[in-house]
Amino acid sequence: EPEVTQTPSHQVTQMGQEVILRCVPISNHLYFYWYRQILGQKVEFLVSFYNNEISEKSEIFDDQFSVERPDGSNFTLKIRSTKLEDSAMYFCASSLRLVNTEAFFGQGTRLTVV
Amino acid sequence: GQQVMQIPQYQHVQEGEDFTTYCNSSTTLSNIQWYKQRPGGHPVFLIQLVKSGEVKKQKRLTFQFGEAKKNSSLHITATQTTDVGTYFCAGNSGAGSYQLTFGKGTKLSVIP
Repeated sequence: EPEVTQTPSHQVTQMGQEVILRCVPISNHLYFYWYRQILGQKVEFLVSFYNNEISEKSEIFDDQFSVERPDGSNFTLKIRSTKLEDSAMYFCASSLRLVNTEAFFGQGTRLTVV
Repeated sequence: GQQVMQIPQYQHVQEGEDFTTYCNSSTTLSNIQWYKQRPGGHPVFLIQLVKSGEVKKQKRLTFQFGEAKKNSSLHITATQTTDVGTYFCAGNSGAGSYQLTFGKGTKLSVIP
């Protein structure tokens, strides 16, 4: 069964450092998303991406965040200067369509900022 | 902005008992989705409801979407230990926005 894969599974970084979280969405999907989940809390939308551009972003997705699809398969989330409060599980998701369709989530990357 | 409230936050049931979680949106939804997240896992899609008053069943799980498309519920009949996890509702308001707004989830524990 096709799945969304994320690497690394766990990333520890020092405050102020840049991190790149990587995702390989399901191959025939066209819409890609990043969500985050602070430990024990709800899943929060960060950004959606389609046709090589951001289609929607939340207020959480400020200037320190960026997304990119550098090639035909990878979808990355970059956090430029990490803060302690960026510590969370980051989930990548993809979907075939934009509307009325399920999102397939990856296993997540646990980011710990120290 | 859109808010999705979900209750209860925690539910402990004896195996075999029923379980219900409720979801309420501050705005009318275009659709609502339900996800299950096992401890340490990622959200896994269960179902999507689109129509007003819609009811869908998956074996022991029954999902409802309210007439006003602002609330939803998930009911599990005769819980099993495999039902353990956190159940999230996630709503989409449409109107040019396609993001999912998740509720805080209901963490279900099943006592064997």
